[in-house]
Amino acid sequence: DTGVSQDPRHKITKRGQNVTFRCDPISEHNRLYWYRQTLGQGPEFLTYFQNEAQLEKSRLLSDRFSAERPKGSFSTLEIQRTEQGDSAMYLCASSATKTQYFGPGTRLLVL
Amino acid sequence: DAKTTQPPSMDCAEGRAANLPCNHSTISGNEYVYWYRQIHSQGPQYIIHGLKNNETNEMASLIITEDRKSSTLILPHATLRDTAVYYCIVRVRQGGSEKLVFGKGTKLTVNP
Repeated sequence: DTGVSQDPRHKITKRGQNVTFRCDPISEHNRLYWYRQTLGQGPEFLTYFQNEAQLEKSRLLSDRFSAERPKGSFSTLEIQRTEQGDSAMYLCASSATKTQYFGPGTRLLVL
Repeated sequence: DAKTTQPPSMDCAEGRAANLPCNHSTISGNEYVYWYRQIHSQGPQYIIHGLKNNETNEMASLIITEDRKSSTLILPHATLRDTAVYYCIVRVRQGGSEKLVFGKGTKLTVNP
């Protein structure tokens, strides 16, 4: 499978714990995006990387959130001190030109 | 905020064409219209995109009005597997960044 992959697919954690998600983009896609989706809503943009540079961060990305893309390949999204409001699907997408291709998402549940 | 508006839900009979409308009256001249769909608990799946001209691929056709203020996604022969939420999106580029701004989409139900 040469699509975008995300790991883990599901994560259950307790409030206050830190969690980290990984995204592996389609090979040679230099652009990578993170989105968050809550129940009944469309995905909301979080952040955008071009190669290893983080070019935009949404206001949704509070200080507890950090994303990295070392060496311009895979990316990680870390949430520190999780809150119940962080429960959502976290989606990663990658692109080479205009079209973004999404991964299956990581579903986070904070108890 | 999303730059598109779509009906919240639609129904279609299996084997018939599904025509999903979208309004994007504030779209800028160089902004593309994208369509994605999302089947329950999966990531959004790319369907088609266009700028000014009508487009067709193996999945669907996209009809864009001449003034670019609205478009229609056409699934020519809907199947039960086409039941999903369909998102009409304007791709936003600002400075060196770009993103997709989703609305709530249209829940399409294909009935047997």
